[in-house]
Amino acid sequence: NAGVMQNPRHLVRRRGQEARLRCSPMKGHSHVYWYRQLPEEGLKFMVYLQKENIIDESGMPKERFSAEFPKEGPSILRIQQVVRGDSAAYFCASSAGLLSYEQYFGPGTRLTVT
Amino acid sequence: AQTVTQSQPEMSVQEAETVTLSCTYDTSESDYYLFWYKQPPSRQMILVIRQEAYKQQNATENRFSVNFQKAAKSFSLKISDSQLGDAAMYFCAYRSADGGATNKLIFGTGTLLAVQP
Repeated sequence: NAGVMQNPRHLVRRRGQEARLRCSPMKGHSHVYWYRQLPEEGLKFMVYLQKENIIDESGMPKERFSAEFPKEGPSILRIQQVVRGDSAAYFCASSAGLLSYEQYFGPGTRLTVT
Repeated sequence: AQTVTQSQPEMSVQEAETVTLSCTYDTSESDYYLFWYKQPPSRQMILVIRQEAYKQQNATENRFSVNFQKAAKSFSLKISDSQLGDAAMYFCAYRSADGGATNKLIFGTGTLLAVQP
């Protein structure tokens, strides 16, 4: 039973490029969460999605960041025109439902902006 | 807004000894969940233990147990018989249980645990 999959594991982008991070939830899970971990810090919530719906995006920066979870395929976190401050580890987690208290985390994508 | 505070940036313990990691939180809610996650050097987030706020009994998972003091808003993690594989960053996290849209986890800043052989 595969866990939460994220790819790529490492991503290097130059300033101004776009970064696309992918997350495939655990089988049977329809709820996806994205968190960001800046160097030497804890994880910070970014966005919570269900299939084809954004439920809570209160942690998303207002500009350049977007997320989707289409009916088919993985969830995508997209960062346009990356800047050095976007360098971080981005974690995806999934859960079975709204009332499911446990979130299962993927291995993360480490984004480095040069 | 809810906050989670871990006041110990680093801790060290001898192998086979016991160590306690501290966590306090602030909330006006009466029903919520608390978690301890472990992040080893691989950076994979691993759930160690969870506690439902409505339960008075402290959660236990093998060598890991919590001391949950709801009135004091304190949630410490005790690791007994420490092993070298316990060395990791440990994060305390809070999640509302109101069943609404606020499913997000709120994390503390972490405690880096070193285990000395």
